Amino acid sequence: AQKVTQTQTSISVMEKTTVTMDCVYETRDSSYFLFWYKQTASGEIVFLIRQDSYKKENATEGHYSLNFQKPKSSIGLIITATQIEDSAVYFCAMRDLASSSFSKLVFGQGTSLSVVP
Amino acid sequence: NSKVIQTPRYLVKGQGQKAKMRCIPEKGHPVVFWYQQNKNNEFKFLINFQNQEVLQQIDMTEKRFSAECPSNSPCSLEIQSSEAGDSALYLCASSLRTISGNTLYFGEGSRLIVV
Repeated sequence: AQKVTQTQTSISVMEKTTVTMDCVYETRDSSYFLFWYKQTASGEIVFLIRQDSYKKENATEGHYSLNFQKPKSSIGLIITATQIEDSAVYFCAMRDLASSSFSKLVFGQGTSLSVVP
Repeated sequence: NSKVIQTPRYLVKGQGQKAKMRCIPEKGHPVVFWYQQNKNNEFKFLINFQNQEVLQQIDMTEKRFSAECPSNSPCSLEIQSSEAGDSALYLCASSLRTISGNTLYFGEGSRLIVV
C-alpha cells in the first residue's frame, strides 16, 4: 500500500536562509508522482512543485526545488531565501498507478515551518 | 489565489442537522475530489467525480454523506445528519484528467464545526 511519511513535525528558521523538509514514501509501483503542497493559516492548500518518478532531474520552481533520491524513496523539499510568508504547513503527497487510474493523493503528516525575522 | 472556489468558508451545525458545502472547480477541470482533513492534519479521501459521474467513494460517504456534480452547477457535498466527529476541514480539489500524473488543485476549504 502507498504510504508517505514526514518525520519533521515542525521547523523554525531565520528569514533568508535555506530549509530542507524531508519526505519518504512507499509504493510498489515503478511509476509514480510526488507533490509538495503548502497549507496556509486560512486553510488554503497551494500546489508548489512535483516530481515524476521517471525523471532523473530534480524539479525546480522559483525558490522551491526538490532533492529526489529514488533508491532511498526520498523526496526532500528545499526552500531557498526563505521569507516570512513561507510560514505554513508543508505536505508531501504521492499518486501512483497501482491503486487505480482514478488514484487519489496520499498525504504525509505535514511539517510546520516557521520563518522568523 | 485559489481558482477552486469553495463556499461557505465556515459552517456551524448542531448534531443531527444537515450540512452542505459547495465547490466550483477550476475552469476546464472535469475531475473533482473531496477530502476531509481532521484536526491532526490527516487527510481522508471521500469521493471523486469526472463530470457528473462518481468514480470512487469510500464506504462512509455511502451512508450519511452524499455528493454530486451537476452539469452547469457547483459540485456539492452534503452530510445528512451531522455528528461531532464530522467536524473537520472539507477540501475540494480539481484536476484536468483522471490519470495519476495530473496535479490536483485545491480550494480554501469549508470548515465544519458540529456542536
